[in-house]
Amino acid sequence: DAKTTQPTSMDCAEGRAANLPCNHSTISGNEYVYWYRQIHSQGPQYIIHGLKNNETNEMASLIITEDRKSSTLILPHATLRDTAVYFCGATNKLIFGTGTLLAVQP
Amino acid sequence: GAVVSQHPSWVICKSGTSVKIECRSLDFQATTMFWYRQFPKQSLMLMATSNEGSKATYEQGVEKDKFLINHASLTLSTLTVTSAHPEDSSFYICSARTDANSPLHFGNGTRLTVT
Repeated sequence: DAKTTQPTSMDCAEGRAANLPCNHSTISGNEYVYWYRQIHSQGPQYIIHGLKNNETNEMASLIITEDRKSSTLILPHATLRDTAVYFCGATNKLIFGTGTLLAVQP
Repeated sequence: GAVVSQHPSWVICKSGTSVKIECRSLDFQATTMFWYRQFPKQSLMLMATSNEGSKATYEQGVEKDKFLINHASLTLSTLTVTSAHPEDSSFYICSARTDANSPLHFGNGTRLTVT
């Protein structure tokens, strides 16, 4: 399973876009990139996943670099309810790293 | 869609007793379910992978005789913490997926406190 690296924490102003990076330089060709988030004391929530192409759904957009060694999760208009720990991972067994704590500020 | 129900949401038990946690996929068939535990301010730690109808695969360092996992149907997996001790107190979470590339869907977790 590919290892992932994410910043420990990030701040974002409410209403602005939040861009969360993930490095997965050891990802193999058939491994998808998955993003989840965990709000305090709850189970994680699936956000989005992709293989090569950029993806968008009602929650977020996922930008994957051409070499697939990194990706960025974009929350286009962050709200206070988006404050959570965001995890990226390759494959869908997910050996979770420590994730990024996104704090959306009013 | 893709709802996973985990029960109970919290449980307090005495040291030496056993506790069973259920994980159900309500609107899809889960060929594979995963069990995690999470200590305060730490990330999720994968404990085991459970495939329907076969024995669970445990991660290194997880005692299979202590954490019994049963995945008897495509919609239900159970985790039994046997002879629980205070150090087993933790937040236990399950997840389920339909196939190898489908995303994981998580239960809301079970907070276990062993006194």
